[in-house]
Amino acid sequence: KNEVEQSPQNLTAQEGEFITINCSYSVGISALHWLQQHPGGGIVSLFMLSSGKKKHGRLIATINIQEKHSSLHITASHPRDSAVYICAVPYNTDKLIFGTGTRLQVFP
Amino acid sequence: EPEVTQTPSHQVTQMGQEVILRCVPISNHLYFYWYRQILGQKVEFLVSFYNNEISEKSEIFDDQFSVERPDGSNFTLKIRSTKLEDSAMYFCASNKEQFTGELFFGEGSRLTVL
Repeated sequence: KNEVEQSPQNLTAQEGEFITINCSYSVGISALHWLQQHPGGGIVSLFMLSSGKKKHGRLIATINIQEKHSSLHITASHPRDSAVYICAVPYNTDKLIFGTGTRLQVFP
Repeated sequence: EPEVTQTPSHQVTQMGQEVILRCVPISNHLYFYWYRQILGQKVEFLVSFYNNEISEKSEIFDDQFSVERPDGSNFTLKIRSTKLEDSAMYFCASNKEQFTGELFFGEGSRLTVL
């Protein structure tokens, strides 16, 4: 079974700070997903990556396949970034195994 | 921007009642999924659906659950006889390509079983 561990579980930051959320998984994968869950519960896909680095606006995701580790970075954090960030990886087929999520609160 | 839509957004039902949750995936997507999230817990896989049949299902997806795509646009999850422990947020998702396609989620349907 592919276990997915995220750290930290909770994170508070001041507006403008650089944020890093980490994800580790236990077996080889084809791709890793970073998702954002809004306070209302809806889930939005941020990144899907299988190697290297991807950037979208102030968000950067990196993955190291050999080390089975991925990071999500937020530059110049803003209160609207407050959400739960979830890492998910496929298990066997296309079924995703989700991490427990990192709850981020950014204060003005 | 295309989106996955789910109805209802919230349903309250009595234990033992049948519930149908509806999803309209993005029109050119081929792979469809239901996930659920019990309050305070991780999101869990329920079932995947491709080419009008279930491709994979989890242990949670027992005989009380069923899915179908009756008309080529809607994708439904039916719970035959709801239990208290079925109370959760249910998410529908779809993608165009099985392993490399970005996954699009609906806003979720919150089910409360009393």
